[in-house]
Amino acid sequence: GAVVSQHPSRVICKSGTSVKIECRSLDFQATTMFWYRQFPKQSLMLMATSNEGSKATYEQGVEKDKFLINHASLTLSTLTVTSAHPEDSSFYICSARHGRETQYFGPGTRLLVL
Amino acid sequence: KQEVTQIPAALSVPEGENLVLNCSFTDSAIYNLQWFRQDPGKGLTSLLLIQSSQREQTSGRLNASLDKSSGRSTLYIAASQPGDSATYLCAVTVTGGGNKLTFGTGTQLKVEL
Repeated sequence: GAVVSQHPSRVICKSGTSVKIECRSLDFQATTMFWYRQFPKQSLMLMATSNEGSKATYEQGVEKDKFLINHASLTLSTLTVTSAHPEDSSFYICSARHGRETQYFGPGTRLLVL
Repeated sequence: KQEVTQIPAALSVPEGENLVLNCSFTDSAIYNLQWFRQDPGKGLTSLLLIQSSQREQTSGRLNASLDKSSGRSTLYIAASQPGDSATYLCAVTVTGGGNKLTFGTGTQLKVEL
């Protein structure tokens, strides 16, 4: 099956710093990428949808200036958590899709903000 | 707004037992429904995908059914094994919703020796 990678897998940072998470589709071109957030023992919540070459569409309640998403190519999307605070600590998962086909999920990135 | 609920939230069974996980959704206008597995601290692995026109899908010891009119799906796991221990998530794709997935709350399964 299709492979989606995320980097880093785990990051610890100080409050106020910015953190960038990469999501790559390794063996297919992803016309659409999705970013999810998951709190402990809770389900995945969609944060935003990004299409290659266009601005991301954010879900209600998600601050676009806080969570910057760039989908610059068909194989790479980045999520930057700007001025991170402890409440931003979470598990961030991306997924990628080509056309209307199945979404393939990355392994996730654990963010801990001290 | 589509809401997806899974029951039970947690389940512990002895090895070898057959079990059923339940998923319900409030809006029957779905494009498809998927069942995923998530191991602790890991991403999601797709197990089964059922199109809205289908009633069930099978893969090995797993069988998923879909009753769109009643807003329900079940995941049946036969002859459970300790390796089946994980969190199982169902998710629906809503028609006309940009093909976004709405996830359920998950069922945490533990299969004991």
